[in-house]
Order: sequence, then C-alpha cells, then structure tokens
Amino acid sequence: SAVISQKPSRDICQRGTSLTIQCQVDSQVTMMFWYRQQPGQSLTLIATANQGSEATYESGFVIDKFPISRPNLTFSTLTVSNMSPEDSSIYLCSVYRVGVTEAFFGQGTRLTVV
Amino acid sequence: AQSVTQPDIHITVSEGASLELRCNYSYGATPYLFWYVQSPGQGLQLLLKYFSGDTLVQGIKGFEAEFKRSQSSFNLRKPSVHWSDAAEYFCAVGDAGGTSYGKLTFGQGTILTVHP
Repeated sequence: SAVISQKPSRDICQRGTSLTIQCQVDSQVTMMFWYRQQPGQSLTLIATANQGSEATYESGFVIDKFPISRPNLTFSTLTVSNMSPEDSSIYLCSVYRVGVTEAFFGQGTRLTVV
Repeated sequence: AQSVTQPDIHITVSEGASLELRCNYSYGATPYLFWYVQSPGQGLQLLLKYFSGDTLVQGIKGFEAEFKRSQSSFNLRKPSVHWSDAAEYFCAVGDAGGTSYGKLTFGQGTILTVHP
C-alpha cells in the first residue's frame, strides 16, 4: 500500500490569492496525479506530476492556473493560483502502484474560496 | 475516450437488505475497473478491482462485483447492507498501458443511504 499525507486538510482563502497543497508519500512512486472534486461532482484528473520535468495537464487545465512541482519521487505540490469561488473543491493527490494495479489517494484538501 | 456511467445518483436501502450499484463503462480494450468508497470527510478507499481472470471479484467489507464484457458493466453488490455502508461509491476505469497508464476516469458517484 501507500500512505499519502496531504497538507493542508482544509483552508478558506480570499479570492485572488494562491494556495499550495503538499503531497507526501511514504515511499518512492513513479506515478503521481492530482484530481479535483467539485461540490457534488465526481473526480476529474488535473494533471500527472512528472518527476524532474513539467507536469502533463489534462484538457481544460493549464499550468498558469495549477502549477505543479515534483522535485523527487515522494513529494509533489499543487498550487491553485489567482483563486475564484469556482475553485472551491476538494483536491486529491493520488499515486499509482504498478505492481498492485491500484491507485491510492490522500485524504484530500477541502478548499473554500470566499 | 474512456468513460464511466453510474446511472443511480442516490440509492436508499434498509439495513440488512441487498444492494446493487450499477456501473457501465466505455473503453476500447480490456479495462482496469475499480470501485472506491468515500465516506464524509474521508479520502477514497478501494473496495475491489478487476483487470483479468475471474470475472467475479471479491472485495473488502463483504462487497463483490461482476465484470460483464458483453454488457460493459461492472456492478457492485452486497448481500446484506450495514448502516456503516452509508457513503458515496465511485466506479472508475483505468488504462492498462500507454500514455494514460495510471490515470483513472471516474463515474459520477452513487450516494448510498441506509435506513435502520
């Protein structure tokens, strides 16, 4: 399995500001992803966090809005930039274990933008 | 592109009753299929998964699911529901390889309410 720690667990932010979410995994993983879960909605993949290179973004998500860092195989950050109320969501970090064919998820960061 | 449909947004059952949550997927090849459960304020917990072999898979907490290729379905079942099963359930499909490996596409989720 994989133990994933996300910080902060929740935050209330002013519009126009930015928030950086941290994701720490208890062991090295190749594949790390960031998802968004808008209120009452399902999970949508934002991007793949690539170690040592730029993240790969899904359609509808851009680097300027959601910059991602992945300095090593156990850590990643997601920044939500220039926030608006529409960014209020739960953001989840996920890692995929090839050997066990399973995605593990952090507890999520509940973001409210006011 | 792959997609997942969970036709039932909300299901209510009585404690002790049987449960079936529906999931239909669209995928070009043999998919990796998953069921996750999300309790209020919690992250996602894997209930079970399928990627090959026996089409009836057993999971945790007494859940099982059956992969039916002809119907593109992966329905989740439990013979007797407990009050603690009240949560939101997500079906997901993943790529077996290629550039999308490791990425999951989720259904809309089914909220399960359990009456005593």
